[in-house]
Amino acid sequence: GAGVSQSPRYKVAKRGQDVALRCDPISGHVSLFWYQQALGQGPEFLTYFQNEAQLDKSGLPSDRFFAERPEGSVSTLKIQRTQQEDSAVYLCASSSIKTSGAPNTGELFFGEGSRLTVL
Amino acid sequence: GQQLNQSPQSMFIQEGEDVSMNCTSSSIFNTWLWYKQDPGEGPVLLIALYKAGELTSNGRLTAQFGITRKDSFLNISASIPSDVGIYFCAGRYNQGGKLIFGQGTELSVKP
Repeated sequence: GAGVSQSPRYKVAKRGQDVALRCDPISGHVSLFWYQQALGQGPEFLTYFQNEAQLDKSGLPSDRFFAERPEGSVSTLKIQRTQQEDSAVYLCASSSIKTSGAPNTGELFFGEGSRLTVL
Repeated sequence: GQQLNQSPQSMFIQEGEDVSMNCTSSSIFNTWLWYKQDPGEGPVLLIALYKAGELTSNGRLTAQFGITRKDSFLNISASIPSDVGIYFCAGRYNQGGKLIFGQGTELSVKP
């Protein structure tokens, strides 16, 4: 598609439920990022994929958070046993990388986000 | 998580006025970016800066990459109502691409 597409746009979950959030990156973009944005805050990094490889998951707040990108395109962020503090907007972004070893001037393009509310 | 120090947190200005906001970091970045976010939308890239000292313009927007590589500013000239939104700075250490974001500057423009 023309831009990064995320679904669902809104999700309400009861505490303890599992949720899955989907991201369709821009076609051809090899890098995919997940960010968490709490109300009134800037986005905070969760995890990063280059193709299907998860190169950095240092921002995942707990082992309840899991992300995958099995075929190097669509990605899913899964949150198990949701807690109220998980309520936030989850943003997906993709970027192109020019060539291996060259400065990465392919910038991030963000989707509209998935707003998760945990009751 | 780590965030940049962005100021001011909010601004209320009259249409036509110029606006300035800035970001500082305790660490060096190799790339500085400025994004704008409207309610219910994802951040949209405004300006990207790749070299220390670089000054780049995009229409009425001008941004600079600080010489120390620890700061950046964004200026908006002759503000208009559609400039309303939240502006975020973001820095990147290396080619890995992970961005660190500031807390945002909320801009309100009175017609």
